[in-house]
Amino acid sequence: RKEVEQDPGPFNVPEGATVAFNCTYSNSASQSFFWYRQDCRKEPKLLMSVYSSGNEDGRFTAQLNRASQYISLLIRDSKLSDSATYLCVCSNSNSGYALNFGKGTSLLVTP
Amino acid sequence: EAQVTQNPRYLITVTGKKLTVTCSQNMNHEYMSWYRQDPGLGLRQIYYSMNVEVTDKGDVPEGYKVSRKEKRNFPLILESPSPNQTSLYFCASSRLSSYNEQFFGPGTRLTVL
Repeated sequence: RKEVEQDPGPFNVPEGATVAFNCTYSNSASQSFFWYRQDCRKEPKLLMSVYSSGNEDGRFTAQLNRASQYISLLIRDSKLSDSATYLCVCSNSNSGYALNFGKGTSLLVTP
Repeated sequence: EAQVTQNPRYLITVTGKKLTVTCSQNMNHEYMSWYRQDPGLGLRQIYYSMNVEVTDKGDVPEGYKVSRKEKRNFPLILESPSPNQTSLYFCASSRLSSYNEQFFGPGTRLTVL
């Protein structure tokens, strides 16, 4: 079983909608969690980190649920430019410096 | 401008012909890493390096070699490429203290015939 799993989607939503993705992780010792965004045929770019208390950056909210071992990304008021693939990554520096990325969730925002 | 550069960006080669993909960063980052991305399989880590002369295997190291002789460079070497190494390759770097906040290069699309 892959350490980090995501629903590949695609999630098709109209402009202005609110959409949420989850990412589950299997290693309960995971300490750090991040969301990346990847546009088609481009490199991934860091979107935001995920703090235990949850954090918000404009229309984006990231949350961590340790009990159920998942992180989430909520996008409010979706824009056409939000169309991309969203990757989650979890890590545990106590077991080395390897990084495990999820396969990504594809979002398509339509007019 | 802070950046990670990769060369070449596109490469078509034949089975067994040794090749090197270069990666360079100008941010004085300790941590550098190579990934391959394939449809349906996502982004998988090949090798990573925590600093000069310190490297470790990621998820899929078979068929690849790396070296870290200088802090800024982290080349990926395919000694004898095979068609199953056809993929999109990304190099990335970060501070070791925040190694999961990676800066990615633009990618190298490799085709092995």
